[in-house]
Amino acid sequence: DAGITQSPRHKVTETGTPVTLRCHQTENHRYMYWYRQDPGHGLRLIHYSYGVKDTDKGEVSDGYSVSRSKTEDFLLTLESATSSQTSVYFCAISVQAGGGTDTQYFGPGTRLTVL
Amino acid sequence: KNQVEQSPQSLIILEGKNCTLQCNYTVSPFSNLRWYKQDTGRGPVSLTIMTFSENTKSNGRYTATLDADTKQSSLHITASQLSDSASYICVVSLSGGSYIPTFGRGTSLIVHP
Repeated sequence: DAGITQSPRHKVTETGTPVTLRCHQTENHRYMYWYRQDPGHGLRLIHYSYGVKDTDKGEVSDGYSVSRSKTEDFLLTLESATSSQTSVYFCAISVQAGGGTDTQYFGPGTRLTVL
Repeated sequence: KNQVEQSPQSLIILEGKNCTLQCNYTVSPFSNLRWYKQDTGRGPVSLTIMTFSENTKSNGRYTATLDADTKQSSLHITASQLSDSASYICVVSLSGGSYIPTFGRGTSLIVHP
């Protein structure tokens, strides 16, 4: 699992409330990612980070913000949760696999329900 | 637009049978292609990774092939087991230092006893 943990693992919240999900890695990898996974859509990139305080948007970034103040932690914040953000959220890291390739390792996921 | 298309969307087979999953991609310039297995309620786990110069890679009963000319890959599962029931995701990365891969939507495989 490349030392990736996510917290919380499950969360139920109400529309309009802020929510923060945490991803923690133990191996100091540079690249970290947040994805959401919904039926029929597969994994979609929300935001990613290429270093401390260096982040960029993915394809579904609206309504989400991220922060990375330490190498090991990547936080995803839903500023005002909506029902459309009910999903399973996965954190991932990118590990160099040699030969110029990289492999992503995923965390166990956070199931978020917005009522 | 870089895309990864997988087929079939879902597949049901009997335990002990073989099956083949397909992945077609338009990602260019190509760096590598990976197959992941995702069990229900868990994160994806890498099965194989192939670069441009490789055309086959095995991991136990899983064998992936790659045809970079036609931009097609397949994942062959031999002598299926109940534990093979999962979603299989094809992921393609660009060359040139991009660390943002393109994901297929996955094939859901169910293995029945």
